Amino acid sequence: GENVEQHPSTLSVQEGDSAVIKCTYSDSASNYFPWYKQELGKRPQLIIDIRSNVGEKKDQRIAVTLNKTAKHFSLHITETQPEDSAVYFCAARGISSGSARQLTFGSGTQLTVLP
Amino acid sequence: DSGVTQTPKHLITATGQRVTLRCSPRSGDLSVYWYQQSLDQGLQFLIQYYNGEERAKGNILERFSAQQFPDLHSELNLSSLELGDSALYFCASSVEGTGEETQYFGPGTRLLVL
Repeated sequence: GENVEQHPSTLSVQEGDSAVIKCTYSDSASNYFPWYKQELGKRPQLIIDIRSNVGEKKDQRIAVTLNKTAKHFSLHITETQPEDSAVYFCAARGISSGSARQLTFGSGTQLTVLP
Repeated sequence: DSGVTQTPKHLITATGQRVTLRCSPRSGDLSVYWYQQSLDQGLQFLIQYYNGEERAKGNILERFSAQQFPDLHSELNLSSLELGDSALYFCASSVEGTGEETQYFGPGTRLLVL
């Protein structure tokens, strides 16, 4: 089945700096890659996603890049703010157990933005 | 607020017991997903229902089962509970359940097995 690895597990940056989180996936047929943000004690929320026919997508301070050949994708946050502090999860839509294609999540990155 | 509701918010029970978690999807969403989030762990996909029928199964234990009712709400049943079942259980919903669309998560049910 699909396996998603996410690095780093923790990341601290100064306010205003950029943050980069990287994920690799194993299923070459995976075609959809969302990123979710989970604030402490709250539900995960989609912040950006990318499909396999696109190499890069941007939404204000957030961007995601996808390298299908290398099977990795990254989240870039520029001009970080304290409210960006949260756990970020990447995911890939590949084969889960059995034959169904569902989201497999990475293990998460705790991002802390220091004021 | 995502529009997805889950009850109860917290549940404390003993080993060997059985519990039922409930989820109501957003209005108009036909698909419901269940995820388990253990302490310091990511989100593990358990099972998905679409319009009342099971569509996909993840790493769901045999002690766990789920169903989706005609009104589209879903229940996750956990039986013969073990200490290791303590976790946050999320449900999410989406319109069509293709896996390529936004999943809206509920607030979760925190289960503690003592």
